[in-house]
Amino acid sequence: EAQVTQNPRYLITVTGKKLTVTCSQNMNHEYMSWYRQDPGLGLRQIYYSMNVEVTDKGDVPEGYKVSRKEKRNFPLILESPSPNQTSLYFCASSSSGRGNLGANVLTFGAGSRLTVL
Amino acid sequence: AQSVAQPEDQVNVAEGNPLTVKCTYSVSGNPYLFWYVQYPNRGLQFLLKYITGDNLVKGSYGFEAEFNKSQTSFHLKKPSALVSDSALYFCAVSGYGNNRLAFGKGNQVVVIP
Repeated sequence: EAQVTQNPRYLITVTGKKLTVTCSQNMNHEYMSWYRQDPGLGLRQIYYSMNVEVTDKGDVPEGYKVSRKEKRNFPLILESPSPNQTSLYFCASSSSGRGNLGANVLTFGAGSRLTVL
Repeated sequence: AQSVAQPEDQVNVAEGNPLTVKCTYSVSGNPYLFWYVQYPNRGLQFLLKYITGDNLVKGSYGFEAEFNKSQTSFHLKKPSALVSDSALYFCAVSGYGNNRLAFGKGNQVVVIP
């Protein structure tokens, strides 16, 4: 089954304790992205990657890091989490569609709910 | 930069009645427009998209949306709502050559039995 898999689904942590949320897709997609969802703010893009070793900032990258060493994986790293990073996080992927990326449908993971105390 | 406005926080509709969820957008050039739906404790699922061509787009689960260039709108519609349509609906916009997709804040749809 074609899917985007995120882990963990739920996590409670404390301020300053480094954590990684993993994301893996099995569709050979070039494009991957991380979003956070907050009430009243919708989805905001954190980072995205056009392909292996190519990443770029989205709208709210502060406090986050990413890497894209393999095509299928795109982990989100919080080096020193703070309470304002408490949120629901989604990873998504799509094909690059002959370069016309904006026209392609995103496949989303089920989400990772993070609480930082 | 592109942006989306979904003016209503919640839409309440009786089962069997028509459902409309509003969306207006802003983008440079021709838009690519999407609707996604999120059911409780699930990720977003694609419903439909407009890239070019016919202004009326049909999608999954009986939903359709009409692209209106002069009003920069892309409202989602369903002729007869079901209780199972209760969910959070997101409108999103991108543009040609643009690698970013901007989402609206979402609309909670509640279908009352």
